[in-house]
Amino acid sequence: AQSVSQHNHHVILSEAASLELGCNYSYGGTVNLFWYVQYPGQHLQLLLKYFSGDPLVKGIKGFEAEFIKSKFSFNLRKPSVQWSDTAEYFCAVNPNRDDKIIFGKGTRLHILP
Amino acid sequence: DVKVTQSSRYLVKRTGEKVFLECVQDMDHENMFWYRQDPGLGLRLIYFSYDVKMKEKGDIPEGYSVSREKKERFSLILESASTNQTSMYLCASYIRGGNEQFFGPGTRLTVL
Repeated sequence: AQSVSQHNHHVILSEAASLELGCNYSYGGTVNLFWYVQYPGQHLQLLLKYFSGDPLVKGIKGFEAEFIKSKFSFNLRKPSVQWSDTAEYFCAVNPNRDDKIIFGKGTRLHILP
Repeated sequence: DVKVTQSSRYLVKRTGEKVFLECVQDMDHENMFWYRQDPGLGLRLIYFSYDVKMKEKGDIPEGYSVSREKKERFSLILESASTNQTSMYLCASYIRGGNEQFFGPGTRLTVL
């Protein structure tokens, strides 16, 4: 079955630390890839997306992600996190660019001030 | 800006009640989705609709039904609410071939 795996369920970092959140998907065809973020008490919102072209994509708030097709991965990175990055992060895949989007289980990120 | 609205932010119902959750989007999107969000389980797709009167089961459709009579409105129905349906319910819409799902604020449903 198609699935999206997020390796870390809960990550705790200090401010200024570097961040990498892992995401792997199981679908082998053409995919669109997304990272969404949900700040405490707020809507889910799009952080960044990959459709085609440069596999290194930049999103809002200094986040970036790299699509590695051979590894079926789309890891999220930020060189220096801030306390305001405390949130839950979801990786999502749109397999074959059809109507469904499949979400991972989320990674809860907690930044210590 | 795309807007997805949900009829209630918080809802408390009793076991056995019929529950309606309403979602409206204002951007003429073809696709609409209902998810439930539970800690440690992420977002799980209940149902989605790719056109008026069309619906498809998601991963966890049991105990739910949906209705899409108009393009902008997608309703989730719990025919007989049970305590294990206590959850956060999220509605989303998406234009076919588009690049982003837009989410509503969510409805936190508690079934007593």
